[in-house]
Amino acid sequence: GNSVTQMEGPVTLSEEAFLTINCTYTATGYPSLFWYVQYPGEGLQLLLKATKADDKGSNKGFEATYRKETTSFHLEKGSVQVSDSAVYFCAPYGGAAGNKLTFGGGTRVLVKP
Amino acid sequence: KAGVTQTPRYLIKTRGQQVTLSCSPISGHRSVSWYQQTPGQGLQFLFEYFSETQRNKGNFPGRFSGRQFSNSRSEMNVSTLELGDSALYLCASSPNTGRDYGYTFGSGTRLTVV
Repeated sequence: GNSVTQMEGPVTLSEEAFLTINCTYTATGYPSLFWYVQYPGEGLQLLLKATKADDKGSNKGFEATYRKETTSFHLEKGSVQVSDSAVYFCAPYGGAAGNKLTFGGGTRVLVKP
Repeated sequence: KAGVTQTPRYLIKTRGQQVTLSCSPISGHRSVSWYQQTPGQGLQFLFEYFSETQRNKGNFPGRFSGRQFSNSRSEMNVSTLELGDSALYLCASSPNTGRDYGYTFGSGTRLTVV
């Protein structure tokens, strides 16, 4: 099946700092890749996606590029806000693992004013 | 457009009881998946249904079961509850497969087993 390695948190940043969250995956076949975000007490929200190699997903200032050669999908944001404080999950979907998302352990991000 | 609706939001059950959780997907979505989230194990896939058929199943004991109705609404059932079943149960829906659009998640049902 698929597996995901995410950098451990918490990641603590000041407002307007640059954010990078590393994600590498193991998968057979050609999975789609997703980043989800979870705010306290809520379910998961889809942040961005990429369905094939070299695709760049972007949303709300966040970006990630599907790097098949390095099996990575690192999340970046140029200038974070306090409202970006949340837990971020990287998740491949499909490939040989079938119709399911495989989640990493999540990275907690705390942005201080 | 209404999102994914899960009921109830909170539930407290006693060990040994059974519980049924409900999920109404986004209108037009035919695929429904269920995930369990715990602090120790993180997010784990339970099962996925499409047009009333289970297409994929995670590595959970047989006490965990689910079904999908013709209107795409889904339920999951846990029998003979154990303390370790305490978790946030998340339902998610997608138009067909999650490959192109991903899944839209509900707010979850928080189950506490005492």
